[in-house]
Amino acid sequence: DAKTTQPTSMDCAEGRAANLPCNHSTISGNEYVYWYRQIHSQGPQYIIHGLKNNETNEMASLIITEDRKSSTLILPHATLRDTAVYYCIVRVGSGAGSYQLTFGKGTKLSVIP
Amino acid sequence: SQTIHQWPATLVQPVGSPLSLECTVEGTSNPNLYWYRQAAGRGLQLLFYSVGIGQISSEVPQNLSASRPQDRQFILSSKKLLLSDSGFYLCAWRQGGSYEQYFGPGTRLTVT
Repeated sequence: DAKTTQPTSMDCAEGRAANLPCNHSTISGNEYVYWYRQIHSQGPQYIIHGLKNNETNEMASLIITEDRKSSTLILPHATLRDTAVYYCIVRVGSGAGSYQLTFGKGTKLSVIP
Repeated sequence: SQTIHQWPATLVQPVGSPLSLECTVEGTSNPNLYWYRQAAGRGLQLLFYSVGIGQISSEVPQNLSASRPQDRQFILSSKKLLLSDSGFYLCAWRQGGSYEQYFGPGTRLTVT
């Protein structure tokens, strides 16, 4: 799996957009970018994933650069409940029978009132 | 809808004691099941995964073992706990062919 690099921590004002970057310069053509988050003392929560096109769902938007070497997760209107550690993972898609996730240390996002 | 349960939520065990953590999934069939551990201040580490009843794959050699006696039941065990086994244990499931993995609430294990 390609290695990812994320900032250790970020702050965001409540109501503003939170933009969380992730570098994955060694990503290969069949690897997807996934984002999960973990609120303190809870299990991780799936947010979004993408291959090369930008993606949007009810939680967030994912912007992937044209060369796919980096991506940005956007929370359009951050709330206090979005305070969590955000993990960027690069992984081959769901075709295999096994599908292991390996999380690094992620970015600790603090949403400030 | 699908739900995943883990118990107990917290556990304090002495070194050398046995361990049994249970995970069950409702609302789906033949899920892929996973056990992860998260040590304090560190990322997630995959311990075991299972693609079917009785099929267990181990990712990390250790004194832990896993079993899947039923389609939606996944058990993590140890015969003798070590101090280094302390951590936050998470069970997760994924439907074959899907991209998302769903995690349970976790069990916080402290070995004393």
